[in-house]
Amino acid sequence: EAGVTQFPSHSVIEKGQTVTLRCDPISGHDNLYWYRRVMGKEIKFLLHFVKESKQDESGMPNNRFLAERTGGTYSTLKVQPAELEDSGVYFCASSRTGVREQYFGPGTRLTVT
Amino acid sequence: GNSVTQMEGPVTLSEEAFLTINCTYTATGYPSLFWYVQYPGEGLQLLLKATKADDKGSNKGFEATYRKETTSFHLEKGSVQVSDSAVYFCALPFYNQGGKLIFGQGTELSVKP
Repeated sequence: EAGVTQFPSHSVIEKGQTVTLRCDPISGHDNLYWYRRVMGKEIKFLLHFVKESKQDESGMPNNRFLAERTGGTYSTLKVQPAELEDSGVYFCASSRTGVREQYFGPGTRLTVT
Repeated sequence: GNSVTQMEGPVTLSEEAFLTINCTYTATGYPSLFWYVQYPGEGLQLLLKATKADDKGSNKGFEATYRKETTSFHLEKGSVQVSDSAVYFCALPFYNQGGKLIFGQGTELSVKP
């Protein structure tokens, strides 16, 4: 089966611009997670979808971040407007209901200049 | 609160050297513990796991023992190879919070021939 895919792999934008990251989970995985690693620090949880519903968005840094999961399939994470501190690598992961292992995508490296 | 503390890197070793990457955790109860690895250009992969105290997880020559008395889950390998060069993350899942993962800061390993 195909793995988790993320697009783009790398994005460079200027402060104040908008960027949308996309994640396609493994088919049949109801759980979808977003994480972020900033400046070589630990990977931090952002939010969790179960199908199309947000189960936990306690890790979202502020209201400049908006995540959606259309029809319970792919998910997007929009940053608007982007700030310098938003630079980092954004990971997406998915898992089946009742299965503990999360499968991660390769990440999107976001650079805000 | 729950947290994971991981040995900082980068770590540089010669091929066939012994590897230890320290990981300690703070958590309520006795959670499962994971080690994830990120090879260059790839996503995070689950390397090994332990689900209860005194369990030993192992994979690809790597081992980690879940020690509740020291709240540790140190990663070890007796003889590293160049192909082991990657970033290693210790992680703690929260199954009563949707399965989100709490990660350590990551340790970059570079193995020289």
